[in-house]
Amino acid sequence: GAGVSQSPRYKVAKRGQDVALRCDPISGHVSLFWYQQALGQGPEFLTYFQNEAQLDKSGLPSDRFFAERPEGSVSTLKIQRTQQEDSAVYLCASRNSGVYNEQFFGPGTRLTVL
Amino acid sequence: GDSVTQMEGPVTLSEEAFLTINCTYTATGYPSLFWYVQYPGEGLQLLLKATKADDKGSNKGFEATYRKETTSFHLEKGSVQVSDSAVYFCASTGTASKLTFGTGTRLQVTL
Repeated sequence: GAGVSQSPRYKVAKRGQDVALRCDPISGHVSLFWYQQALGQGPEFLTYFQNEAQLDKSGLPSDRFFAERPEGSVSTLKIQRTQQEDSAVYLCASRNSGVYNEQFFGPGTRLTVL
Repeated sequence: GDSVTQMEGPVTLSEEAFLTINCTYTATGYPSLFWYVQYPGEGLQLLLKATKADDKGSNKGFEATYRKETTSFHLEKGSVQVSDSAVYFCASTGTASKLTFGTGTRLQVTL
């Protein structure tokens, strides 16, 4: 079946531009996570949704980062006024109900801010 | 807060050699533990998991045992193959649902 998909796969932005990154989770998965992976590092948690409710946004690095999942399926991560330090791979993962269930990851969006 | 520490790479082994990648964690409560693998050009995939102390996760010849007394979850494989070349991430999750990852260990297996 279809896995988690993300678009675009690559995004180049000039410093100060706004970007929007999309995640299509596995159909029926209740939970959706966003992670940020800097070069040579492990993924770091950004935010978590259960259906349309954003239950944890403690990992968002600044108020320039905003995520939504209005209908409980597709999610968008928006970064306003991008900075060079925002350059990273942004990973989306989805999970069926149950804390111990596997999180399935998408291929990621590589964001480069010039 | 929760954290995961894993050995730095790269780890370079000859085919059929024994592999150990060390992983230790700090967490409140009783986390579940995971090993994820990222093959070149691909996304993160779950390799194995263990949800309670003394559980052993296994998959594709890889094993890891959840050791509460040493807060460890070391990854082992008896005989590595070239196709095992990848980056391996140890991770934990507690009641907060989110995964906390280590920095990753790159494994390079040569003929």
